[in-house]
This record gives sequence, structure tokens and C-alpha cells, in this order.
Amino acid sequence: QVQLVQSGAEVKKPGASVKVSCKASGYTFTTYCVHWVRQAPGQGLEWMGIINPSGGSTTYAQRFQGRVTMTRDTSTSSVYMELSSLRSEDTAVYYCGRDGVRGPTWIDSWGQGTLVTVSS
Amino acid sequence: DIVMTQSPDSLAVSLGERATINCHSSQSVLYKSNNKNYLAWYQQKPGQPPKLLIYWASTRESGVPDRFSGSGSGTDFTLTISSLQAEDVAVYYCQQYYGTPLTFGGGTKVEIK
Repeated sequence: QVQLVQSGAEVKKPGASVKVSCKASGYTFTTYCVHWVRQAPGQGLEWMGIINPSGGSTTYAQRFQGRVTMTRDTSTSSVYMELSSLRSEDTAVYYCGRDGVRGPTWIDSWGQGTLVTVSS
Repeated sequence: DIVMTQSPDSLAVSLGERATINCHSSQSVLYKSNNKNYLAWYQQKPGQPPKLLIYWASTRESGVPDRFSGSGSGTDFTLTISSLQAEDVAVYYCQQYYGTPLTFGGGTKVEIK
């Protein structure tokens, strides 16, 4: 079955960077795009961007442009999301999710989430 | 960006009764060339990631109970739970994929009355 397993919780200081990993299994990794979505405590869902594992092409939400980098490693079926210049407002659970078709469309499988806490 | 607005913010429904959640998009998400509405619905329970319920506005994801249904077109959409069960207590989100950035509604919390 499709499974996305994310790395563990992180605590970072303002101004630092964080890199979250997402390891896929149960399907052909290069066939489906992967999204990153975040959710601040008690808040709704916010789309950050998408990566195509086949060629590595990315599309980022404008508000994260310049701060986010999504990459992939086809040898380990993993995707990564790095967010730099962290501020307190970046405290959130970060989810990776597999696109339902060829992307970007809906997200049919989600990782368990990674809590990133930004605090001095 | 396409703004997605859900209503109500929360609702309480008796077990076995109908729950109706509305979602409005700031522009049409109907792609005329294929006559498909680029809209999905998700369910999120506390401490869990979202779960896909419906895509193309009305196509139920495999394994989703048939008490969940989606309807609407253009800018106005509805998620209906025909007979609310205890396990349906959750927050529900709509999401458009007509254009990037993908955007979500603010969520509707469903509780038992």
C-alpha cells in the first residue's frame, strides 16, 4: 500500500533552516508528484508547493518563493522540503502528500506530518 | 489566487441526521474543455493528516462510505453527509486544483448534537 513516512519533529531558532524528509513506498516513485502542505497550530491547511520526482521540476507558492527548496532522491524514493530564514510564524505541522494523478491535483495519500517548532 | 470560503465554520448534527457543508470559490473552477470541476474534499480528525474523500467535485475516493457525497459546479459546492455517524466527527476542507497555488477552504468542524 502507498506509504509516506516523514522525518521526526524539529526545534529551530529564528533565522535557521529546517529540512524535512518524506520517504515513499508502495508505488512507482517517479510516477506521481509530491506536494508539501503545512498546518499551523489550530489553523487550516496551506499549500507550499509540488515536486515532480521524475525530473525534479518544482512549483512553489509565491509566498514561499526564495525560502523553500524541494528536492528528491530517486535512489531512496525520498523527497525533501527545506525552509530557510525561519520565523515563529513557521511553527506548524508539515505534511508531504502524493498527488492523485499527474499533478497538481488532489492529494490522495499523506505522510504522518512533521512538527517544526521555531522558538528562541 | 483563488480564495475558497467555507460555511458554516462549525455545525452540530444529531446522529443519523444530514450534515451539509458549503464551499464557494472566488472564481469558477470548472474547466470548460473537459467539463470538470477542479475541486476536492478532505476529512481531518484530531492528530491525523487529512484524508481524501472526493475529487472532481463529486467522485468518491475508493473506500469512502457512500453517505459522503459532493455536488455543485462553477463556484458553489456542497459536501453532504447523509446520515451522520460518530466517526464522522472531524474538520472538513475543500480544495481547488484549478490553478496554483492550490488553495483550501478554512475548514468546517462537524460535531454531534
